[in-house]
Amino acid sequence: QTVVTQEPSLTVSPGGTVTLTCASSTGAVTGSYYPNWFQQKPGQAPRALIYSTNNRQAWTPARFSGSLLGGKAALTLSGVQPEDEADYYCLLYFGGAQPWVFGGGTKLTVI
Amino acid sequence: EVLLVESGGGLVQPGGSLRLSCAASGFSVSSNFMSWVRQAPGKGLDCVSVFYTGGATYYADSVKGRFTISRDTSKNTVYLQMNSLRAEDTAVYFCVRGVDTVLGLSLDYWGQGALVTVSS
Repeated sequence: QTVVTQEPSLTVSPGGTVTLTCASSTGAVTGSYYPNWFQQKPGQAPRALIYSTNNRQAWTPARFSGSLLGGKAALTLSGVQPEDEADYYCLLYFGGAQPWVFGGGTKLTVI
Repeated sequence: EVLLVESGGGLVQPGGSLRLSCAASGFSVSSNFMSWVRQAPGKGLDCVSVFYTGGATYYADSVKGRFTISRDTSKNTVYLQMNSLRAEDTAVYFCVRGVDTVLGLSLDYWGQGALVTVSS
């Protein structure tokens, strides 16, 4: 059973920069895992932010960027806004018997 | 405008059945892969089933043999038939559109979710 791991929680100050990461139990994350990132606020459906490592969805603000960092997928928020406080989930594609696996989510607090 | 609207959720007793529907508009379900993702109360996201464009399907081990995903292209709707429901199936079920592009794979549009509660 493949496990995808994210930081459980992070805190950032308004205007600051924070990086969330997404690791795979199978080893280094590469572009072939097509990392996707989602934002979810309380009581709402998740909203897609990034796909295939570093491609923003049409509605994603430029302060959100995706990358590969040290064998992990990464989501960086620059110039954090109070409305960025939310849960963030990554998703990796493995194909085969367990094609899509979500990370456990990171609760981002902006204070 | 792309829109996904789920329906069919509700309260069901253990061992019972429900069928979720996901009515799509703004695109064709036959041109995209479609997924059902669930979220148990206070928990994270879990992909339970996928219907690929070619007709292949995927099921998580936790629902294999009990859930069936299907699509009706004439109605542009995707379904999730859920049988032998268990308490641990209690969750909000989201319908999600998948896109396979030259840039890679993306799960881009999500429905608002349908709450399924399994309890006696």
